[in-house]
Amino acid sequence: DGGITQSPKYLFRKEGQNVTLSCEQNLNHDAMYWYRQDPGQGLRLIYYSQIVNDFQKGDIAEGYSVSREKKESFPLTVTSAQKNPTAFYLCASSPRGGGRNEKLFFGSGTQLSVL
Amino acid sequence: GENVGLHLPTLSVQEGDNSIINCAYSNSASDYFIWYKQESGKGPQFIIDIRSNMDKRQGQRVTVLLNKTVKHLSLQIAATQPGDSAVYFCAEKLTSGNTPLVFGKGTRLSVIA
Repeated sequence: DGGITQSPKYLFRKEGQNVTLSCEQNLNHDAMYWYRQDPGQGLRLIYYSQIVNDFQKGDIAEGYSVSREKKESFPLTVTSAQKNPTAFYLCASSPRGGGRNEKLFFGSGTQLSVL
Repeated sequence: GENVGLHLPTLSVQEGDNSIINCAYSNSASDYFIWYKQESGKGPQFIIDIRSNMDKRQGQRVTVLLNKTVKHLSLQIAATQPGDSAVYFCAEKLTSGNTPLVFGKGTRLSVIA
């Protein structure tokens, strides 16, 4: 069953702690993305990767880090530098990295809350 | 930067009526547009897309209209059903560059039974 899997569904972060959100896809997509969604708001781009071992900052990259060591995986770390991390985090992938029509396929999201 | 915005943050319609969700975009160079549906606690799901060389595209019960003159995009849902209740996002992209999709803030559609 192909798709994008995000885990965990719910995550709690203590003060000063780094946490990592997992995103795995078996769609053989080249590009992967992380978005943040605050209540009643749209999606804001954190980081994206168009190919393995490469990634670019989005609009709100401060306080976050990513890696893209494998095509299937694009984990997001929310660092202690992110002072307001409570949000719904969405991972997405698309067949190609850019320059063409892109339909994003989304995971089911991770709700991160601060203890 | 360029913004993708929506005229109405909330929309309530009677079951069986047609719904129209509007979106204004400001980047006149954008040439690809998508509508997504997001149910509570879930990730957005693709509904329909349209390229700038078209002004209308139809799917199953949905139609997207693009008016490049006034930079306006709309999603029409025919015979709205309770299952259509969700938040709808439009997104735009300039396909000649390497920039990702830019999403609007969303419109919440509530269907009244």
